Amino acid sequence: DAGVIQSPRHEVTEMGQEVTLRCKPISGHDYLFWYRQTMMRGLELLIYFNNNVPIDDSGMPEDRFSAKMPNASFSTLKIQPSEPRDSAVYFCACRTAGNEQFFGPGTRLTVL
Amino acid sequence: AQSVTQPDIHITVSEGASLELRCNYSYGATPYLFWYVQSPGQGLQLLLKYFSGDTLVQGIKGFEAEFKRSQSSFNLRKPSVHWSDAAEYFCAVDNNNDMRFGAGTRLTVKP
Repeated sequence: DAGVIQSPRHEVTEMGQEVTLRCKPISGHDYLFWYRQTMMRGLELLIYFNNNVPIDDSGMPEDRFSAKMPNASFSTLKIQPSEPRDSAVYFCACRTAGNEQFFGPGTRLTVL
Repeated sequence: AQSVTQPDIHITVSEGASLELRCNYSYGATPYLFWYVQSPGQGLQLLLKYFSGDTLVQGIKGFEAEFKRSQSSFNLRKPSVHWSDAAEYFCAVDNNNDMRFGAGTRLTVKP
């Protein structure tokens, strides 16, 4: 298995633009998580899905952030409009019930 | 609310020396406990985990951790550090998918 796949690995955009981050979890892992990592706030859970259904989105910072999981093999995190303070590394992770989370390599987002 | 504390932001050790990274958690029950390692520009890799049973758990790369319920601690240890161990280390606590990470401890290894 290729592990968790995230794209793009790096994204540079201008304030106000829409940004879409993508994640392909490990096959058979029915939980999917989106995290944000910054120097100031460390690792923060944004949202997680179980069987493609959003379970807890209390970590999503604002309405500008949205996440979807249309099927078991694909999820997106969208920021619209983006702001400089959204600059961070965004990680996708997945797991099966009762086991550890497996992390993707992350997407480094820079909003100018 | 559960929380995870890693009191040491940065630790420097000499290659070959022993290492202990501290982790304390705050939670009423015994959650699942993890240690992850993150190299620069990389994602997080699991070193070891504790769910139940033997309180001394062995992980990859020669790491081990001991769960001490009375101290609410889950410290990570390695008897002899290698230069390739230089990275950021995160302790994590998971209760029913509510996963909380410590702030991380950055490990520098001196030659």
